[in-house]
Amino acid sequence: SQTIHQWPATLVQPVGSPLSLECTVEGTSNPNLYWYRQAAGRGLQLLFYSVGIGQISSEVPQNLSASRPQDRQFILSSKKLLLSDSGFYLCAWSPGTSVGYTFGSGTRLTVV
Amino acid sequence: QKEVEQDPGPLSVPEGAIVSLNCTYSNSAFQYFMWYRQYSRKGPELLMYTYSSGNKEDGRFTAQVDKSSKYISLFIRDSQPSDSATYLCAMSGGIGGSEKLVFGKGTKLTVNP
Repeated sequence: SQTIHQWPATLVQPVGSPLSLECTVEGTSNPNLYWYRQAAGRGLQLLFYSVGIGQISSEVPQNLSASRPQDRQFILSSKKLLLSDSGFYLCAWSPGTSVGYTFGSGTRLTVV
Repeated sequence: QKEVEQDPGPLSVPEGAIVSLNCTYSNSAFQYFMWYRQYSRKGPELLMYTYSSGNKEDGRFTAQVDKSSKYISLFIRDSQPSDSATYLCAMSGGIGGSEKLVFGKGTKLTVNP
């Protein structure tokens, strides 16, 4: 069966520090991968999605970037965090042949 | 007008009540309609989905889609405290890599014992 792993679960980082969040999917190949941010009162905001290795689409221009170095690995990064980067970050995947996404357990990021 | 509108609540009901959660949308190209349940500090999980118009039932849950009114609903019968969560509707025009889900903001539901 397919599983999605996302870590860390909680992260407190100072303003100006770098960020790296990792997501991996097991039990499937060539998944579509997504990074979302969820902020209170704003719902789920799609940040990046990828349909293959090295193929990254950005939905919102901001202080973040994403990379997909391997088929089942998706990384969200920032060189310098801002206070406004605080939020709940969710990775998700889909096979592209069925309805809906499967989400990871999320990373709660607090920038201080 | 936003693509998907969902009343954020919060909604508080007694145990055993029938709960109705709703979303409206503006994009007539949407064909797949989903409901996700998200417990506090967890990722959303797909509860059920419907293709095009009609009803779908799964245990105590019923999803309805009215494409003519661009209105979807999720009904929960005999609600339980374990149903307390945020419910998000989501929609897409198809399945595939380029098809992205559009989410509502979610409705927070509390079922009181």
